[in-house]
Amino acid sequence: DAGVTQSPTHLIKTRGQQVTLRCSPISGHKSVSWYQQVLGQGPQFIFQYYEKEERGRGNFPDRFSARQFPNYSSELNVNALLLGDSALYLCASSPGTVLGDEKLFFGSGTQLSVL
Amino acid sequence: EDQVTQSPEALRLQEGESSSLNCSYTVSGLRGLFWYRQDPGKGPEFLFTLYSAGEEKEKERLKATLTKKESFLHITAPKPEDSATYLCAVEGSNYKLTFGKGTLLTVNP
Repeated sequence: DAGVTQSPTHLIKTRGQQVTLRCSPISGHKSVSWYQQVLGQGPQFIFQYYEKEERGRGNFPDRFSARQFPNYSSELNVNALLLGDSALYLCASSPGTVLGDEKLFFGSGTQLSVL
Repeated sequence: EDQVTQSPEALRLQEGESSSLNCSYTVSGLRGLFWYRQDPGKGPEFLFTLYSAGEEKEKERLKATLTKKESFLHITAPKPEDSATYLCAVEGSNYKLTFGKGTLLTVNP
């Protein structure tokens, strides 16, 4: 079975631009979460979606937004990019059959560089 | 706010030399403590979930334990393929996962 897939794998943008990152969860998984991982740090929670509804949001500015589609895939959008947005963006999926307390299956991430 | 502190930041071992990684945490209403392994250029890979103090779980050369304030990941007779960054995370009553910075483990042959 395919794992969590993310696209693109690498992306280079300039300050002020907008970016859209995509994620396909494991088949049958209904929950998708997004994390930002800066080099040398642990992943930081951005959003969680379950059944197309936002379930949780981390401490990120409104420039960050996300959505989940009927097929449970998801997009993360970042507007007005800043140099500090350069990071590995990870998508994780889980079955979503219980509220929280589930192990996450991560994709390999999208490496975003903002110049 | 939930917090996770991992130590040491980096650990270098010889093959076969056992050691432990530490994860100290503060959390409101612990729902679970998670250990993940992350290889360079990859996303984290799930290892264990611990739910309550006194709980222990094992997988091959790894054993995770939990107290009310910290968790340990014990590595017995490590091999070079155990080299990776080990991440600890907690989920509290807000259902959000908070990660530590990780411990970079290098096992030399």
